Parts: sequence; C-alpha cells; structure tokens
Amino acid sequence: AQKVTQAQTEISVVEKEDVTLDCVYETRDTTYYLFWYKQPPSGELVFLIRRNSFDEQNEISGRYSWNFQKSTSSFNFTITASQVVDSAVYFCALPGANNLFFGTGTRLTVIP
Amino acid sequence: DSGVTQTPKHLITATGQRVTLRCSPRSGDLSVYWYQQSLDQGLQFLIQYYNGEERAKGNILERFSAQQFPDLHSELNLSSLELGDSALYFCASSVGVRASYEQYFGPGTRLTVT
Repeated sequence: AQKVTQAQTEISVVEKEDVTLDCVYETRDTTYYLFWYKQPPSGELVFLIRRNSFDEQNEISGRYSWNFQKSTSSFNFTITASQVVDSAVYFCALPGANNLFFGTGTRLTVIP
Repeated sequence: DSGVTQTPKHLITATGQRVTLRCSPRSGDLSVYWYQQSLDQGLQFLIQYYNGEERAKGNILERFSAQQFPDLHSELNLSSLELGDSALYFCASSVGVRASYEQYFGPGTRLTVT
C-alpha cells in the first residue's frame, strides 16, 4: 500500500529564511507520481506540483523548488526567502489505484 | 481559484439529521473525488465517480452516499449524522479516471454537527 510520511509536524521560520519540508514515501510501484498541496488558513487545498518518478531533476517555480530522490524515497519541498503568505499546512501525496494518499501535513509558520 | 465549486461553504446541523453537499467539477473534468478532512483522521478518501459511474470507494460510511449526475456535478449525502461526522469535506476533480492525474480541490464544505 502507498504511504507518505511527513515527519515535521510544525516548523516556524522568520521571514526571508529558507525552509525545507520533508516528504518520505513508500510504494511498490515502479512508476508513480508525487504531489504537493498547500492548505492556507482559509482552508482550501491548492495544487502545487505533480512530479513523475521518471524525472529526478529538481523542479523550480519562483521561490519554490522540489528535490526528488528515488534512492531515499524522498520528495522534499524548499521555499526560498519565505514570506508570511507562505504560512500554511503543506501536504505531500502519493496516488494509489483510485485516490491520493496524503501525509499528515507540515504546518509552516512564517514570522514577520 | 481551482475552478471546482462546492456549496454550501458552511453547514451546521444537529445529530440525526441528513445533509447534502454539492460539487461542480472543473470544466472538462470527468472524475470527481470526495475527501473528508478531520483533525484525528487527516485527509481520507471517501469515493470517486467518473463520468457518472462510481469507480472506487474508500473509507465511506454506510450512512454516506454519493452520486454524479449527467451534467457531471456530484452530491454527497450524509445521513443520521453524528458528532464525529464534523469535518471539512472536499470535492476534487480531474480529467482522467486514474488518481495520478492532477486533482484540483474545491474550497470545501465545513460541516458542524451539534
């Protein structure tokens, strides 16, 4: 079965600091995707990225970057120069046959 | 804005009652997923519909049911409500039937059972 572990329950950083959110996954699939979602205080779930296991190149989108390492079964998310608007709960997710399996989330608080 | 709409945004009801949550997927998306988010269970998959047909069931209680209509909107019916059913209910949509497609979530319906 699919499993996602986000060991960091809560992280606090001061604005402009870089922060990395960890995601470790377990799957027996040979090819798979991984997702990150953001849940701001308003409650909605915002899609951030979907990554294919074939592609281990780092993905960068503005201040966001993702590091995918199959050797350690990790798909970590880094926010550079964090801002207060980055305060949210971030979820990593792994698709099963029919649905996404979510980690327990990491609550990020960016202090001004 | 994900393009997925959910109504109502908030719902407060009493134990034993029945409620209906509504979801309209993004234009062009055929799959609708329902998830429940509670403090103790996290994000749990309930059920998936694809093009009007039920495709997969997760941790959905027998008191809960859902359907997807010809116009592709979906409704989640919760009956004989209990205090433990209080949660945030999300609908998500995607273009394909597999869970590996990008799933876009609606704003959620916050259900409070008193």
